[in-house]
Parts: sequence; C-alpha cells; structure tokens
Amino acid sequence: DTAVSQTPKYLVTQMGNDKSIKCEQNLGHDTMYWYKQDSKKFLKIMFSYNNKELIINETVPNRFSPKSPDKAHLNLHINSLELGDSAVYFCASSQDGAAQETQYFGPGTRLLVL
Amino acid sequence: QKEVEQNSGPLSVPEGAIASLNCTYSDRVSQSFFWYRQYSGKSPELIMSIYSNGDKEDGRFTAQLNKASQYVSLLIRDSQPSDSATYLCAAHTGGFKTIFGAGTRLFVKA
Repeated sequence: DTAVSQTPKYLVTQMGNDKSIKCEQNLGHDTMYWYKQDSKKFLKIMFSYNNKELIINETVPNRFSPKSPDKAHLNLHINSLELGDSAVYFCASSQDGAAQETQYFGPGTRLLVL
Repeated sequence: QKEVEQNSGPLSVPEGAIASLNCTYSDRVSQSFFWYRQYSGKSPELIMSIYSNGDKEDGRFTAQLNKASQYVSLLIRDSQPSDSATYLCAAHTGGFKTIFGAGTRLFVKA
C-alpha cells in the first residue's frame, strides 16, 4: 500500500491556467505538508497543516491555496500559473509535527508551465 | 533567515571508500536533524536522524552532531554505487517547520 500518494504525477499546462494537485496519506498522521523542489533540487516548505488547520504559510503567493478536507487529505490549487511555478511539488506527512518525527514523502508531481 | 547549508558537490568517491557529507545550520533553536536520500526522479527518504550531540551509527551510516558549532555530518562507510544520490540535510526548527539544505550530490564510482 502506498503511504503517501499524489495525483497527478505529471502536469503540463499553459501560463495563466488553474490546476490542482491532490495528496492522500493512509498512515493515520495528523500533520501534512507541501514542499516545492526547484531545478536545483532545493526543497522548500510551502505549507504545514495539523488536524486540518493551516499552521505554516511560508510566504507563498496567494495564487496557491491549500485545502485539507480531512486529516488524510491535503490538496493544492494553483491559480493563474506562471513559468516560475514549474517545479516538482511534494506532499509529505508526519505523526503530529513534533521535532523528532520522520516525514514521509509522496512521489511528487512534476509541473511544467509553458 | 533560517538556513541549512550544504556543499552541492558533486562529491565523487571510489567504491569501498568513506563518503563524508557536511551541513551547517543557522538557527540555534533547532532541535532535531535529519539526513534524507533522494535518488534522481524520486522522493526523499529518511536515512538517519540525530537529536543529541555526538555520533549515532546505523549500519554503514554514522551521523554526527555538534550543536556548539551548528554542524551536522553523515559518514557512509564502504560506499556502494547504489549510494549514488543526492543527500539532503534538514533541521527541525520548531513549530511544524523543517528546513532543508540544497543537497549534496554523491557519486560512488565502481
């Protein structure tokens, strides 16, 4: 069974379009995250959610809107896509966000904006 | 700006040698430190975690932490070609936030 899954795996779209990425975890974790990894492999946190509540919004443009309908799901909607949004987006989860916890990553969504 | 810094490499070592990966962090309140391995086109996976000063060993891997120097390292003994990957150092800075370094690319030559 896949612990953290994301859909779609690949996303190619035009500038200005709106797109969504979905994430689900079956680990029973309370905390979920979105990360962006650029072409230089720099993995940067975007959002942290705990028990469906937004905890961290790391100065992400408001074109990005996360939604957590329940603890097992964290979706990411992106409006008015720009070239600079091209990256790999990883969803991750951990038990409850405490300091010593392992984060489990999904397979990533490769977004290319043309 | 809280940062985790790594040498991007690439670090190239022959098979069987020791690979030494280093990382420094800027936020003194960081409590927990992690090394994740990421193969090309794949997601990061945890290799080692360390919370206290000193060494922690797990098989061929040893993590070292020096909080006074704000320094974390990972040693890989008997390096194998399958260890070739990008290694990401990460620091949990509190409040549901983990900061990742840009990663060090390791090549192990057969």
